Amino acid sequence: DIQMTQSPSSLSASVGDRVTITCRASQSVSAYLNWYQQKPGKAPRLLLYAASSLQSGVPSRFSGSGSGTDFTLTISSLRPEDFATYYCQETYSIPWTFGQGTKVEIK
Amino acid sequence: EVQLVESGGGLVQPGGSLRLSCAVSGFTFKNYEMNWVRQAPGKGLEWVSYISSGGSATYYADSVKGRFTISRDSAKNSVYLQMNSLRAEDTAVYYCARVSDFGVVLAADYWGQGTLVTVSS
Repeated sequence: DIQMTQSPSSLSASVGDRVTITCRASQSVSAYLNWYQQKPGKAPRLLLYAASSLQSGVPSRFSGSGSGTDFTLTISSLRPEDFATYYCQETYSIPWTFGQGTKVEIK
Repeated sequence: EVQLVESGGGLVQPGGSLRLSCAVSGFTFKNYEMNWVRQAPGKGLEWVSYISSGGSATYYADSVKGRFTISRDSAKNSVYLQMNSLRAEDTAVYYCARVSDFGVVLAADYWGQGTLVTVSS
């Protein structure tokens, strides 16, 4: 099974900050990498698919990059509604493993 | 409007069984693959199971293989998760999610609100 490791596990940031979250796969997943946002008590929301493609309706301050084993999610200017937990997930091979999550908290 | 509504969660004793349902609307169900994903209290997301659009292909996480069965009924626009031999570690919110093919990758683009399963004596 492919292991997905996110870093950091949590971070504190202020509104307006640029935030970067890293996701590393234990083996290459090509670009079969998706990012989700989850707020407390809510279902996850798809933000980006195929590592860098923005899902419809997602603000352009979210961006993604990477391929192979190393990926990043960047929020260019953090807004109050972006405080949440972010997960990467590979859909390269079954089981479709999620990263452990990165919680973005208010500084 | 795409909607997914899970039901069937509740309290069950260890070793017991439960059947979750996910009723969908707002899209052509027979054209989409479906997933179940769970989240234990205070923990991260765990992929549980997948079913192809026609129902012929199913896959499971090792943690549930042999105990859980995913199925679908196009006439009822529903996907199911039959859970047997339940364990305390199966306690979680269970989400069903629609899987879309974005050409390059598959991703879960719509999710239900989740249903809580608690396994406890």
